Amino acid sequence: SQTIHQWPATLVQPVGSPLSLECTVEGTSNPNLYWYRQAAGRGLQLLFYSVGIGQISSEVPQNLSASRPQDRQFILSSKKLLLSDSGFYLCAWSVPGVRTGELFFGEGSRLTVL
Amino acid sequence: DAKTTQPPSMDCAEGRAANLPCNHSTISGNEYVYWYRQIHSQGPQYIIHGLKNNETNEMASLIITEDRKSSTLILPHATLRDTAVYYCIVRAGDDKIIFGKGTRLHILP
Repeated sequence: SQTIHQWPATLVQPVGSPLSLECTVEGTSNPNLYWYRQAAGRGLQLLFYSVGIGQISSEVPQNLSASRPQDRQFILSSKKLLLSDSGFYLCAWSVPGVRTGELFFGEGSRLTVL
Repeated sequence: DAKTTQPPSMDCAEGRAANLPCNHSTISGNEYVYWYRQIHSQGPQYIIHGLKNNETNEMASLIITEDRKSSTLILPHATLRDTAVYYCIVRAGDDKIIFGKGTRLHILP
């Protein structure tokens, strides 16, 4: 069966520090991968999505970046965090090319920038 | 931008049916309607989806109007554990999946 893991689960970082959140999917090949962010009391904001290795689409211009170095690995990074980067970050995957495929989410990573 | 519009919040008495509306007036012919819910501090959970016909599973029923411009998610017997934010999205198999702000459903004891 397919599983998705993301880590770390929680982290507290100072303003200006770097960030790396990692997400891996097991049990499937060539998944579509997504990073979402949810600020406190807000809805889900799509940050990045990827349909293959090295193929990243950015939805919101910001100081975050994403990379997909391997088929089932998706990394969210920042060189210098801002206070506004605080939030709940969710990685998700879906089966590519399936119109009725559902989105499967990881457990989430809660980031607090101080 | 999200292609759906939902009320920001709703209340429902425990044991009653919860009916959550969603407007998607610009939906295209090949777009499906999906519903997810998010319980506090967890990732969203898939509930149900449909194209034209009404759908039912063990969690809920989905009623889609004939013109497909709106739909209603029905939780037949709401419990306190159904308290969550419910998201209605439309998707055509396009790889970009946009969530709106959803409806915060409060189940009242």
